[in-house]
Formats: sequence, C-alpha cells, structure tokens
Amino acid sequence: GAGVSQSPSNKVTEKGKDVELRCDPISGHTALYWYRQSLGQGLEFLIYFQGNSAPDKSGLPSDRFSAERTGGSVSTLTIQRTQQEDSAVYLCASSLLPGGSYEQYFGPGTRLTVT
Amino acid sequence: AQRVTQPEKLLSVFKGAPVELKCNYSYSGSPELFWYVQYSRQRLQLLLRHISRESIKGFTADLNKGETSFHLKKPFAQEEDSAMYYCALDSGNTGKLIFGQGTTLQVKP
Repeated sequence: GAGVSQSPSNKVTEKGKDVELRCDPISGHTALYWYRQSLGQGLEFLIYFQGNSAPDKSGLPSDRFSAERTGGSVSTLTIQRTQQEDSAVYLCASSLLPGGSYEQYFGPGTRLTVT
Repeated sequence: AQRVTQPEKLLSVFKGAPVELKCNYSYSGSPELFWYVQYSRQRLQLLLRHISRESIKGFTADLNKGETSFHLKKPFAQEEDSAMYYCALDSGNTGKLIFGQGTTLQVKP
C-alpha cells in the first residue's frame, strides 16, 4: 500500500519568504509526527498530532513555525520569514495510534534550503 | 532531562566482524527504546524495539537499566548493513521520539 508521502521533495527559498510543507500520512493512521534532520542537530522532534489536535508542540523552534492537520489526514508545516538556520530535511511520520507500541512510518522528507 | 547519546559518529568494520553500536540514555521513567536505520537513499525505518525482544536482520539490542544503555549488536557484519543507525527514546509513551545523533556504520569488504 501507499506509504507516507511528502511534498515538495525539495524546496529552495529566499530568506524571509514563507514556505509550506505537506505530509500525507498512511490512511487510517491517527498519529502524525514532524521531525527535522539537520547537520549538527541530528533528528529533532517538532510537533505531533492525535487526530487534528496537537498535544505536544514543544519542539517547534520559534513562533515562525506552525502546523495544522485537517480531516485527521493531511498535515501542513508552515515556516514564516524563513532563516538560513531553517535549512534542513523535514520528516513526517505516522502511526496507527500514538505511543511507543505503534511503529512510526516515515516519509521521504522535504529538503529545505534557505538562501 | 531526557537524552539519547550515541558516542560514535562513524564505526568502520570489516565484513564478518562483530558490530556493537553504542547507545546510552537518560530518562526518569521506564524507557521505551528503539533502533532506527536509514540506508542510502531510503527512508528512515524501524529496525527493532526493546519491548519486542526480537532479532531483526541478525541485530539484537538489550536494555540495561543499570547502565542506562541499549547497545545494538550483530555477531557478523554484512556489507548490506552499511547505513546510518539512530537510537531513540519514546518520551512519555506518546510516540514523541528523542533521537541520538546517529552512528554511520561502514562495513568494508
């Protein structure tokens, strides 16, 4: 079946512009996670959704970052006024339910480059 | 603070040699620990989790609460094991994963 998909696969943007990153989870998965993979910082948790609610946003680096999920499915991560330090690979994962008992399936990532 | 430490950025071994990728954690509760693997040009994927106590692709990992470690081991490395390996901790059983910095395993022929 179809796995987690993310779009775009690559995004190059100018400093100060806004970007939107999209994640389509596996159908029926209620939990959705966003992570960031960058040189020097490794893999960092950003936010997770249970349904359309975000019980934990603790990993969002600043108020320039926001995310939403609609219909218990697609999620969008928005970065406003991008900075060079936002350059990273943004990964999305989904699982049937939240919690360590449920395997997280990762998407291919969106590589964001801020020039 | 919850933290996962992988002290080696790169581990290089010859085919057939034993492998041990180190992982230490700090967590105040009962940890749920995982190993994830990312092969070249592939997605990050789950390799194994401690609650399953399983062996996947010949790899095993034992949780040692006394040493707060969860090292990944394989008795005989294969070239196809070359990849980036991440140790991860589930914080609060929410699925929120705290990852180590990752170790690149290079298996030479």
